[in-house]
Amino acid sequence: GENVEQHPSTLSVQEGDSAVIKCTYSDSASNYFPWYKQELGKGPQLIIDIRSNVGEKKDQRIAVTLNKTAKHFSLHITETQPEDSAVYFCAASKKNTGNQFYFGTGTSLTVIP
Amino acid sequence: GAVVSQHPSRVICKSGTSVKIECRSLDFQATTMFWYRQFPKQSLMLMATSNEGSKATYEQGVEKDKFLINHASLTLSTLTVTSAHPEDSSFYICSARPWRAEGVEQYFGPGTRLTVT
Repeated sequence: GENVEQHPSTLSVQEGDSAVIKCTYSDSASNYFPWYKQELGKGPQLIIDIRSNVGEKKDQRIAVTLNKTAKHFSLHITETQPEDSAVYFCAASKKNTGNQFYFGTGTSLTVIP
Repeated sequence: GAVVSQHPSRVICKSGTSVKIECRSLDFQATTMFWYRQFPKQSLMLMATSNEGSKATYEQGVEKDKFLINHASLTLSTLTVTSAHPEDSSFYICSARPWRAEGVEQYFGPGTRLTVT
């Protein structure tokens, strides 16, 4: 089955700096990679996703890059703000498993004002 | 768009009782809904996948007689925790996949905090 690893588990950055979270996956057939932001006591919120037919996707301060050969993908947050503080989860999925999501273990991001 | 609600947001029940949690997709139809369990500071653990009108598929180790899932319509799925015990206390989160071709996204509900005393 698919195995998704996520690093780092905790990350602290100064406000305005960039934050990068990395995930690796094991199954080369995985073709969809979403990122979720979860605030304390709430459900995960989809913030950006990427499919295997592209290498990069950007949405304002958030970007995701995908390297299919190396089987890793990363979340980049630029100009971080205190409200970016949350737990971020990556996931991987593929069609022939019913699109089941395999989640990473999460990264707790703290943006220090 | 793509809003998923859960009810209740918090519930406290006594050991041995049953609790029902509702998951609704508010502005889209969902062919598939998923139920997850999350322990503090841990990732999401998939419990079961439910498709409208058919039986749910449970992950290995999840007791189907204890966690009853019903997906009666394209906008509603329910999870019933039967004969709840303190070890069932957890954060339960549902997600829904929109009904459209090549749709793979999952949108999550806000979660339900279950405490069994």
